[in-house]
Amino acid sequence: GAGVSQTPSNKVTEKGKYVELRCDPISGHTALYWYRQSLGQGPEFLIYFQGTGAADDSGLPNDRFFAVRPEGSVSTLKIQRTERGDSAVYLCASSSVPQETQYFGPGTRLLVL
Amino acid sequence: AQKVTQAQTEISVVEKEDVTLDCVYETRDTTYYLFWYKQPPSGELVFLIRRNSFDEQNEISGRYSWNFQKSTSSFNFTITASQVVDSAVYFCALSEGLGKFYFGSGTKLNVKP
Repeated sequence: GAGVSQTPSNKVTEKGKYVELRCDPISGHTALYWYRQSLGQGPEFLIYFQGTGAADDSGLPNDRFFAVRPEGSVSTLKIQRTERGDSAVYLCASSSVPQETQYFGPGTRLLVL
Repeated sequence: AQKVTQAQTEISVVEKEDVTLDCVYETRDTTYYLFWYKQPPSGELVFLIRRNSFDEQNEISGRYSWNFQKSTSSFNFTITASQVVDSAVYFCALSEGLGKFYFGSGTKLNVKP
């Protein structure tokens, strides 16, 4: 079956602009996660959804970051007023239930100039 | 404090050598889950194994084996007879069952022909 997909694969934007990153999880997976991976580091947790609601958003760095999952499937990570420090690979993962294995998408590489 | 420590930043071996990647974790929970992921140069995280805290039995899958020791809070990964295709960054991760994963900083494995 299809894995986790993410679009776009690459995004270049200018400082101060708004960006949206999309994640389409594995069909039937109720839990969806966003992570951020900086060069040479492991993924860092941002937010996790159980169904439509954010069950844990403790990893969002500040209020410029926001994510939604309105129908319990596709999720969008939104970043307002982007800063150069936001440049990273944004990874999405999904799992059947929270304690199960997370399967990752290919990521969106964001570059803020 | 880091919940997952991968002290080896980079390891280089010659093909057919055995190599062990170390992972030390920290948690106060009695129920938790440990994972290993592979991140090849293409960038996508590939799931390798999941263990729960109640199962300390070592596992072998082909050339891969895992040694889980609660007494030392370690979950080490051994590749036997390494191959060039094993070259990647390997991540160890911990879940306390609440959704988010804590990843180590990764170990880059270089297997030379």
